[in-house]
Amino acid sequence: QVQLVESGGGVVQPGRSLKLSCAASGFPFRSYGMQWVRQAPGKGLKWVAVIWNDGSNRYYADSVKGRFIISRDNSKNTLFLQMNSLRVEDTAVYYCARSSDSWGSSSSHWGQGTLVSVSS
Amino acid sequence: EIVLTQSPGTLSLSPGERATVSCRASDTVNSRYLAWYQQKPGQAPKLLIYDASRRATGIPDRFSGSGSGTDFTLTINRLGPEDLAVYYCQQYSMSPYTFGQGTKLEIK
Repeated sequence: QVQLVESGGGVVQPGRSLKLSCAASGFPFRSYGMQWVRQAPGKGLKWVAVIWNDGSNRYYADSVKGRFIISRDNSKNTLFLQMNSLRVEDTAVYYCARSSDSWGSSSSHWGQGTLVSVSS
Repeated sequence: EIVLTQSPGTLSLSPGERATVSCRASDTVNSRYLAWYQQKPGQAPKLLIYDASRRATGIPDRFSGSGSGTDFTLTINRLGPEDLAVYYCQQYSMSPYTFGQGTKLEIK
């Protein structure tokens, strides 16, 4: 069965960096687009970024563009999110999600999330 | 950016009733690239509907989606206690992909 396991979250000071990982299993990772979605405490879902199955296309939310980088290693079935210049408002649970297709379509499978807390 | 506005914000209904959630887009959602998700307390979201009206794998036919252009609807028939959740629409027609603010469904 499809499994997505996020890691790398934690407490970090404003302005610092953090890198999230998402280990995928149970499906041909290189065949599917992947996305990151976040949820601030008590708030709604916010889309963060998407990457096509082959890494040929990447798109970002305006709030993270220029600070976050989505990438993937198809040889290791792993998705990444490099988060730089972190802000207090980046505090959230970050979910890794698998697209339904090779591109950035609907998210058919989700991980359980990893919490990122940005605080001084 | 396409802004999605859901209504109502909160819905309180009794078991057996029907829930209707609206999602209005600020611009046309091409190819009906709109999805609905269910998020139960303490859980990750779950895909219910994709491409506006296609049920995801394993989703009961009590859940249905409709609409096109800028107006979309999620309908849940025969409500049960297990439907207590927040429901979100999302468009993936154009980047940045966006979510609606969510509709909280309460079961009386």
